[in-house]
This record gives sequence, C-alpha cells and structure tokens, in this order.
Amino acid sequence: QSVLTQPPSVSGAPGQRVTISCTGSNSNIGAGFDVHWYQQIPGTTPKLLIYGNTNRPSGVPDRFSGSKSGTSASLAITGLQAEDEADYYCQSYDTILSAHVVFGGGTKLTVL
Amino acid sequence: QITLKESGPTLVKPTQTVTLTCTFSGFSLRTGVVGVGWIRQPPGKALEWLALIYWNDDKRYSPSLKSKLTITKDTSKNQVVLTMTNMDPVDTGTYYCARMRRYCSGGTCYSDAFDIWGQGTMVIVS
Repeated sequence: QSVLTQPPSVSGAPGQRVTISCTGSNSNIGAGFDVHWYQQIPGTTPKLLIYGNTNRPSGVPDRFSGSKSGTSASLAITGLQAEDEADYYCQSYDTILSAHVVFGGGTKLTVL
Repeated sequence: QITLKESGPTLVKPTQTVTLTCTFSGFSLRTGVVGVGWIRQPPGKALEWLALIYWNDDKRYSPSLKSKLTITKDTSKNQVVLTMTNMDPVDTGTYYCARMRRYCSGGTCYSDAFDIWGQGTMVIVS
C-alpha cells in the first residue's frame, strides 16, 4: 500500500477536464515537501510532467497543471486528448524513519 | 544530451544477489546538487522507489528494503551501481535509474525530482 493515495482510475471524453488527486499525510506532503507528477504512457518510460507542485518542465503543454494544499495535491488535465491516456504518478518525500522518496500508487487515465 | 542506461542480468535465481549498473552521460556526479536513483516497477504495477545516491555520496534507501540494498557510485566511470541481495520472485520487474535534480525558480528551490529516466532493464527472478 502506497504512502501517497491516488484513485486507481479516472476517465474523460476528449476535450473534457479531469483531475487526479494525491493524498498524503503530515509526514510527507503536509510536512511541506513538494509534489511532482510523472506520466507513463503504456510501454514507455516515466516522464516528469510537473515539478514543485505547479511547475511544468520545458515541453509539457499548459493543458497540464498541478496544485497542492495541506496534505494533498492534484493534477488537472484540460482539453483531454487521446494521447493523454496513460498512468500518472505523484511523488514526494516522507520523513517517517528517515527522509525518503515516496510514490503514489498510480492512476490510469482512460480517454473515452 | 543527458542519457542513462541500465544494465544487468535478465534472469536471476531466488536467493541470489543481483548487481545492476546505471551508466550515464551528459552530467556529472562530482559536483552540484544532483543524484541518481533507482526505481522499480513489477509487471502491471506501480512505481516503487528503491535507493538514491547524491553527488556528495549521501545515500538514501527505501525503509522497507534497506536491508537488501546497497548503492554506490563510480564518478570516474559515470556509473551508479545497485546491489540487491536475497532476490525473490516478488522482486521481478523493470528496474529504472533516473537522474535526480533540484529545480529552483525565482529564489525558491523545490524538493528534488527525477527529471531524466533510463529505458529500464527487466529482471526476472525464477
């Protein structure tokens, strides 16, 4: 069971907006650690999509946006496209036992 | 251009020790706030972080796997090596190495993120 909780799946029609939540606790997101998001298209390597809660690396479309509040974070995708169908993972740090990296369990996005 | 490539045995027997090597180019682990981490993914399952080593030899391990992992670096060869002991069928999966970097913007620096990933190497324990 992952330290960061994500919904197993979300779906939306082309053009719609979807959000993916990432729920943590006071030992990770709530402790002030930033959240990053990765996109993994089936059969490919994960790709950094959002860093530092809200920032997009160069080349990532502005259809993707991130936010963070309290012990949770969210990834929003607007204007859904077929190519957005992928698995999405959030990542942060946790301080239980020692500072270490934690990933969410992943969310499968289906474009209907 | 920054690249990372994993290498190691594809098939491993239970109880054996496996050594995975990440060979990278386009950056250095000699200086700067940079690290290299290992992440694995069982077939059809989620990403799981394993270990991380920074330029200053600071090492971090997954608490649940710490007893079976060792991470080291060879800066002269641009390599990071992960050793896993007592392999079990549940350790089957794709093993990725990835560069970890610290993004800073407008005077604010964020928690480190994996910005460049290798293609991954499959390890089957059977």
